[in-house]
Amino acid sequence: AQSVSQHNHHVILSEAASLELGCNYSYGGTVNLFWYVQYPGQHLQLLLKYFSGDPLVKGIKGFEAEFIKSKFSFNLRKPSVQWSDTAEYFCAVKAGYSTLTFGKGTMLLVSP
Amino acid sequence: NAGVTQTPKFRVLKTGQSMTLLCAQDMNHEYMYWYRQDPGMGLRLIHYSVGEGTTAKGEVPDGYNVSRLKKQNFLLGLESAAPSQTSVYFCASSYSTGAGTEAFFGQGTRLTVV
Repeated sequence: AQSVSQHNHHVILSEAASLELGCNYSYGGTVNLFWYVQYPGQHLQLLLKYFSGDPLVKGIKGFEAEFIKSKFSFNLRKPSVQWSDTAEYFCAVKAGYSTLTFGKGTMLLVSP
Repeated sequence: NAGVTQTPKFRVLKTGQSMTLLCAQDMNHEYMYWYRQDPGMGLRLIHYSVGEGTTAKGEVPDGYNVSRLKKQNFLLGLESAAPSQTSVYFCASSYSTGAGTEAFFGQGTRLTVV
């Protein structure tokens, strides 16, 4: 079975700072990888996904993530965060035709 | 386009009471899922369904039952609620589980068991 590890439970940044959230998964075969975002009081929304091709994936709102197969990683990045990026971020993995497995989430707080 | 709709949005139950959470999707998706979200635990899969009339257990199925009598609806039942079931419950649906298929989530149901 696959598992997902998110390194930071809480991250606090100032506006304009750069962001990198770590995500590692454990599964030796082909995987699909996702980052979801949950704004306060809202449901989960897809930020970006990787399933094949270019390992550098660009998503909505200026986010991107890089799939590094050799490191089993799919880290989320944004060059300059905004106050509106305050949210909880979830990495998720799907191996083959299995269901999604989520990490425990990283709460990002951006101070203005 | 409503997407995934959950009913109710909030509920308080007493220990031992029963209730049913309703999830409805209007995207003609085959797959539907129930997750619970707890602080520091992320989302954990309770039960899921790969099509009308089918259900399967997820990671944390104990204390819950589900039914998928119609393709568009997926019901989550708690027969005898316990305080450990205090959580936020999310329903999701997807077209398939093939490569790159994303899941769409409902707004969540915040359940408190006292």
